[in-house]
Amino acid sequence: AQSVTQLGSHVSVSEGALVLLRCNYSSSVPPYLFWYVQYPNQGLQLLLKYTTGATLVKGINGFEAEFKKSETSFHLTKPSAHMSDAAEYFCAVEGGATNKLIFGTGTLLAVQP
Amino acid sequence: DGGITQSPKYLFRKEGQNVTLSCEQNLNHDAMYWYRQDPGQGLRLIYYSQIVNDFQKGDIAEGYSVSREKKESFPLTVTSAQKNPTAFYLCASPSWAEAFFGQGTRLTVV
Repeated sequence: AQSVTQLGSHVSVSEGALVLLRCNYSSSVPPYLFWYVQYPNQGLQLLLKYTTGATLVKGINGFEAEFKKSETSFHLTKPSAHMSDAAEYFCAVEGGATNKLIFGTGTLLAVQP
Repeated sequence: DGGITQSPKYLFRKEGQNVTLSCEQNLNHDAMYWYRQDPGQGLRLIYYSQIVNDFQKGDIAEGYSVSREKKESFPLTVTSAQKNPTAFYLCASPSWAEAFFGQGTRLTVV
């Protein structure tokens, strides 16, 4: 069965600082991994995804993530935080016979001026 | 533009009443999912449908029902058996390696 663990339900950074949001996964098959962003009272928007191939994945808004199989991790980073990055971020894994998309519990990112 | 439409955006229900949340997609996707979102708990899968006329229970199906009579539509009924229905509900339609989400329905029991 697939599962996702996001470390840190709240992360606060200063504007211009590095953003690092952590995600570890468990999967019995090669996983597809995703990061989504959610603004208040809205649906989820895909930031980036890893399916196969290059392990460093670049997404929208300057975010990127690296798939590390040995560490079962898929951490999200951005070199320089912007105020507009304040939102909730969800890591997700898909895999297995049913192809269900399983989400982590989310990390709320606050950006301080 | 293709996408997923959820309605209504806000919904109020009296205790003991059933209520149905609408989800329509024009993406021509086979699969449709319903998630429930509560603060600090992420998204939990209620029901999912991989094809028309077929659906499966997710992790928290008790107190909910669905139907999938048309490819475009996957309505969710929150029944009176659902003990704590106040939440944000999200409909999604995955395709290969991506899921598209509606804007959500916030249900409040009054």
